[in-house]
Amino acid sequence: DQQVKQNSPSLSVQEGRISILNCDYTNSMFDYFLWYKKYPAEGPTFLISISSIKDKNEDGRFTVFLNKSAKHLSLHIVPSQPGDSAVYFCAASATQGGSEKLVFGKGTKLTVNP
Amino acid sequence: DARVTQTPRHKVTEMGQEVTMRCQPILGHNTVFWYRQTMMQGLELLAYFRNRAPLDDSGMPKDRFSAEMPDATLATLKIQPSEPRDSAVYFCASGFFLSDRVGQPQHFGDGTRLSIL
Repeated sequence: DQQVKQNSPSLSVQEGRISILNCDYTNSMFDYFLWYKKYPAEGPTFLISISSIKDKNEDGRFTVFLNKSAKHLSLHIVPSQPGDSAVYFCAASATQGGSEKLVFGKGTKLTVNP
Repeated sequence: DARVTQTPRHKVTEMGQEVTMRCQPILGHNTVFWYRQTMMQGLELLAYFRNRAPLDDSGMPKDRFSAEMPDATLATLKIQPSEPRDSAVYFCASGFFLSDRVGQPQHFGDGTRLSIL
């Protein structure tokens, strides 16, 4: 049973436009969420995170939104750049279960076209 | 920038052989994780250590997999005997975690791509 779901395997956007990547979770105990970016032949790289006490966190072009009632989070990239083309993983953890233990979604491959 | 180092980057071997993957965590990190990535299952946590002590290995097939931390600078994941279904990319990650400080990210190595023929 997948506790973290990324229902879109791929997404294609034009350079300069907004990219929106979505993630849903089922475990109501999750209280900390992260996004990782992964290039081919490299490990995932931490991008941005959000605690369940917040509904938005922003870092430059990247913003993560959390809707706890819907158990949904999204990553917005504005403006999108060709270098953003990568696989994006959503991950979640439950403080009570050990905050360091992450459950990952299967990823969304983002392609930003010049 | 400090990085997690994994060796080897690629390994091809025949079924039944022993495979050892190594990981050097970032200096000062107290927690080390082993993950496996496959197309079907995505990124799965196999095991992790805190201050070199195993905390959770529930994701690891116990009959053929073993994970150890001989010292603070080295973590190993062994498969013996290896099987074709073990073919995957294995990632090591490290982080610094304290019980009163939640919300720290894990830092990943670039993985070992394992092919069992």
